[in-house]
Amino acid sequence: EVQLVQSGAELKKPGESLTISCKTSGYFFFSHWIAWVRQRPGKGLEWMGRIDPSDSYTNYSPSFRGHVTFSADKSVSTAYLQWSSLNVSDTATYYCARRVVIQSTRYYYYYMDVWGEGTTVSVSS
Amino acid sequence: DIVLTQSPGTLALSPGERATLSCRASQTVTTSYLAWYQHKPGQAPRLLIYGVSVRAAGTPDRFSGTGSGTDFTLTISRLEPEDFAVYYCQKLGNSPESFGQGTKLEIK
Repeated sequence: EVQLVQSGAELKKPGESLTISCKTSGYFFFSHWIAWVRQRPGKGLEWMGRIDPSDSYTNYSPSFRGHVTFSADKSVSTAYLQWSSLNVSDTATYYCARRVVIQSTRYYYYYMDVWGEGTTVSVSS
Repeated sequence: DIVLTQSPGTLALSPGERATLSCRASQTVTTSYLAWYQHKPGQAPRLLIYGVSVRAAGTPDRFSGTGSGTDFTLTISRLEPEDFAVYYCQKLGNSPESFGQGTKLEIK
């Protein structure tokens, strides 16, 4: 069974650093990209970006570039989302998701099929 | 970047009714790159449909997706109590793989 298990809730102060994790199992870690998605309280889903675990190649949404860092550790099949300096506005639930590309006879299909349960990050002074 | 606009923002219907949710893109979206998700409070989002119309494993057949180009629709033929949730469309492929702002389907 494919699973993405995220680290637990965090309560931090503005300016602090933080790394949350997304441990994968049940499939070959290198095979699929991992995406990160933010949901602020009462708001919709926001795509933050993605990482290719095979070589740690990353794409960031313009809204998040320079504020967060994605990484992956092949030895433990785990992806990470890191902040060097949190803001109150980073208060949100963060999801990781497996991004799949499959080839049919005519098309390449893209989707995010398995999601972590979410990590709630609260930033308050 | 492609922007996805979902409508309506909120849809109030009764169990047994038909729901029609719209997702409009600012530019043409490749058919095989358009997905729909269901999200309930306190849960992870769930993939419902990919490639505009392909139901993901476990998605009931009352859910169907149609569309092409810039206009896409998710239809729920007969609403069940467990269908009341927020629904998002997503465009994948090139970065950014943006979501629409969501349609909240609530019980009337």
